[in-house]
Amino acid sequence: KQEVTQIPAALSVPEGENLVLNCSFTDSAIYNLQWFRQDPGKGLTSLLLIQSSQREQTSGRLNASLDKSSGRSTLYIAASQPGDSATYLCAAGPGTGGTSYGKLTFGQGTILTVHP
Amino acid sequence: EAQVTQNPRYLITVTGKKLTVTCSQNMNHEYMSWYRQDPGLGLRQIYYSMNVEVTDKGDVPEGYKVSRKEKRNFPLILESPSPNQTSLYFCASSLAGTYNEQFFGPGTRLTVL
Repeated sequence: KQEVTQIPAALSVPEGENLVLNCSFTDSAIYNLQWFRQDPGKGLTSLLLIQSSQREQTSGRLNASLDKSSGRSTLYIAASQPGDSATYLCAAGPGTGGTSYGKLTFGQGTILTVHP
Repeated sequence: EAQVTQNPRYLITVTGKKLTVTCSQNMNHEYMSWYRQDPGLGLRQIYYSMNVEVTDKGDVPEGYKVSRKEKRNFPLILESPSPNQTSLYFCASSLAGTYNEQFFGPGTRLTVL
């Protein structure tokens, strides 16, 4: 059974810092890995989706990498801003064996606070 | 506007009183799914549906039912709610399974007394 772990559980940084959020998964035979953002009292917003054939994806100040062999993904946020404060979740997608195409396994998230 | 909607957003009920949480999407997505989010346990998948009339269990299906009679709707049914089903519930949809970007609803906070 897939298990996803995110480290650290919480992170507080001053504005302007570059930071890295970590995500690890136990079953490396995944089709994709997704990163989400959750604001308090709101739903999840998809940030980046990395297919297993890709090593990284970029969107603005966000860059996510995927290393299937080591079971790890990182989310890099450049020049952090107070508006980046939120909970960041990673989720391991379906296995490449084709039997879990509807499943998504989430980590518990990293609570990020960026203070001015 | 492309969106996933859930109703109600907040619900307080009592043990044993059947309830339904609705989920609707306007993006013609084939895939829909339900999750619950609990402190310390994160998001856990309850049920998912790959298409109309096709549903399957997630990791925590006990105590829940779903149906997918129309493509746009995927209601979550609690036949006899219990206090341990007090949680924050999210519905999500995508074009095709979890191969694609997931779109989430705003959540339904359920309290069972």
